[in-house]
Amino acid sequence: AQSVSQHNHHVILSEAASLELGCNYSYGGTVNLFWYVQYPGQHLQLLLKYFSGDPLVKGIKGFEAEFIKSKFSFNLRKPSVQWSDTAEYFCAVNVDFNKFYFGSGTKLNVKP
Amino acid sequence: GAGVSQSPSNKVTEKGKDVELRCDPISGHTALYWYRQSLGQGLEFLIYFQGNSAPDKSGLPSDRFSAERTGGSVSTLTIQRTQQEDSAVYLCASSLGGLPNTEAFFGQGTRLTVV
Repeated sequence: AQSVSQHNHHVILSEAASLELGCNYSYGGTVNLFWYVQYPGQHLQLLLKYFSGDPLVKGIKGFEAEFIKSKFSFNLRKPSVQWSDTAEYFCAVNVDFNKFYFGSGTKLNVKP
Repeated sequence: GAGVSQSPSNKVTEKGKDVELRCDPISGHTALYWYRQSLGQGLEFLIYFQGNSAPDKSGLPSDRFSAERTGGSVSTLTIQRTQQEDSAVYLCASSLGGLPNTEAFFGQGTRLTVV
């Protein structure tokens, strides 16, 4: 079955800690990969995206993600989190330029 | 418009009543999606419209749910005989569907509360 898996449902970190959120997908077609973020009380917005080329992509606010095709993974990383990174993060896959499939989300709580 | 617009932003309704939620996508976007976000449930796909193709309704949870998209633009999600478990945030998104290298843009959502 087609799916997007986010293994961490709730992550609690202290400021300046490093972050890595896992995302795995199971699709065989052409995929575009995304991370979306939802800050408290705000709508979902794009954090970063991978379409092709360099598998290490950089997004806003110091976030980056690495596409590893052999592992069907697209993990999100940030070397040093801030309190303002407290949000819910969603991994998404667009298959064959069709609809988007989302993971179940990871709630990140950064303690000041 | 500048972004995806949803109305109303909040809706409180009595159990058993019908509700209509509206989505106005970004002008020119041929693809439109409805998702439901419940506490602890992530984003649940409901329905997908792409151009003039038949919509993908595979995510609709029951026959009480329906959606239409008129003129390839505005979409309405209708929930008939609402139940308390329908309480959630309903999100609409649009994109340049069918094309490579596109992203989905989300509206603010409609928070539905069934009492």
